[in-house]
Amino acid sequence: RKEVEQDPGPFNVPEGATVAFNCTYSNSASQSFFWYRQDCRKEPKLLMSVYSSGNEDGRFTAQLNRASQYISLLIRDSKLSDSATYLCVWSTGGDYKLSFGAGTTVTVRA
Amino acid sequence: GAGVSQSPRYKVAKRGQDVALRCDPISGHVSLFWYQQALGQGPEFLTYFQNEAQLDKSGLPSDRFFAERPEGSVSTLKIQRTQQEDSAVYLCASSLSRGPYEQYFGPGTRLTVT
Repeated sequence: RKEVEQDPGPFNVPEGATVAFNCTYSNSASQSFFWYRQDCRKEPKLLMSVYSSGNEDGRFTAQLNRASQYISLLIRDSKLSDSATYLCVWSTGGDYKLSFGAGTTVTVRA
Repeated sequence: GAGVSQSPRYKVAKRGQDVALRCDPISGHVSLFWYQQALGQGPEFLTYFQNEAQLDKSGLPSDRFFAERPEGSVSTLKIQRTQQEDSAVYLCASSLSRGPYEQYFGPGTRLTVT
């Protein structure tokens, strides 16, 4: 079993729609979780950290479920500029080494 | 301020050639990381420096890969006798320190081995 399973998509949604996707992980030693965003042929950039209590940043909501070992990202009121690949990321090993999922591609259409 | 910079941005190497990829981290960042990203995959950890000390090189795929950061600032990733499977984007990231600090990525070097 892969250490992480991330739905590759693509999720093709109209502007204004809500889109949500999960990432499941198998390493229970994983300590911290993040969502990174990567635009085509660009570098990854931190979107948000993920906390057990759930957290929001504007139109983005992230959740962590340690019991079921998954994290989720929900994007409300999608904008064209949200089109990107969203990488599920976690850290182990002293909280510095990042491990990345393969990414979920989201395309928002006008 | 300036972000992480990498050079060259693109490199084409013939199989068997040696290549050197450079990373300039954000000034003052103690931690520096190298990742390899194959097409359609997420980045994979290669190695980690804290200042000039290479504390983790567990992700380097073979002994053909070597990284250094002699003065605790600029880092170089060297790949000897390149193979086709080395074709990937090599990303460098830096962070303020070890721990749960945000890692800032450079634009990457796209290496193609022919």
